[in-house]
Amino acid sequence: EADIYQTPRYLVIGTGKKITLECSQTMGHDKMYWYQQDPGMELHLIHYSYGVNSTEKGDLSSESTVSRIRTEHFPLTLESARPSHTSQYLCASSPSNRGAYEQYFGPGTRLTVT
Amino acid sequence: AQSVTQLGSHVSVSEGALVLLRCNYSSSVPPYLFWYVQYPNQGLQLLLKYTSAATLVKGINGFEAEFKKSETSFHLTKPSAHMSDAAEYFCAVSDKGFKTIFGAGTRLFVKA
Repeated sequence: EADIYQTPRYLVIGTGKKITLECSQTMGHDKMYWYQQDPGMELHLIHYSYGVNSTEKGDLSSESTVSRIRTEHFPLTLESARPSHTSQYLCASSPSNRGAYEQYFGPGTRLTVT
Repeated sequence: AQSVTQLGSHVSVSEGALVLLRCNYSSSVPPYLFWYVQYPNQGLQLLLKYTSAATLVKGINGFEAEFKKSETSFHLTKPSAHMSDAAEYFCAVSDKGFKTIFGAGTRLFVKA
């Protein structure tokens, strides 16, 4: 079954730790995204990728980095976690064919930095 | 520049009543418009999308939305609410490029 996966689902970690949030999709989509979601707020785009070896920063300034070495995999890394990074992180993907601009979302990772 | 405004951060209806969630958009080009639903502890799921074909769009779970260019609106409706419809709903606009802009969401409560 084609799907998009995120691990871990929940993470509590101390300040200064390095963390990687995993995202994988089995749909063969070229476009992938990372969003930050806080209660009552719009989803904020923090990173996106057009395809392998292509990554861009989104509209929301973020201290995280991403990589896209394989089509199906788009991990997000925080080198040194801070309490201000506490949030829900959503990964999404989208096909490249013309007229298909909807996005498919993973279940999210809820990150708490203490 | 694109933007989306969802009127009402919370909407409460009784089971069996009409659901109306409001969305207004701004776009400099003919937009693609979307409604997504998010259940607790899950990601967003596509409910329906408008792609410049029919202005009345039918989606999953009995929801539909009407694109009104003159009003720059794309309101979501369902004739009869069910308890399982309780969730957060997001309106979104795409300029057919790479980025999609999401609204702040409307949380729907359904009373028994």
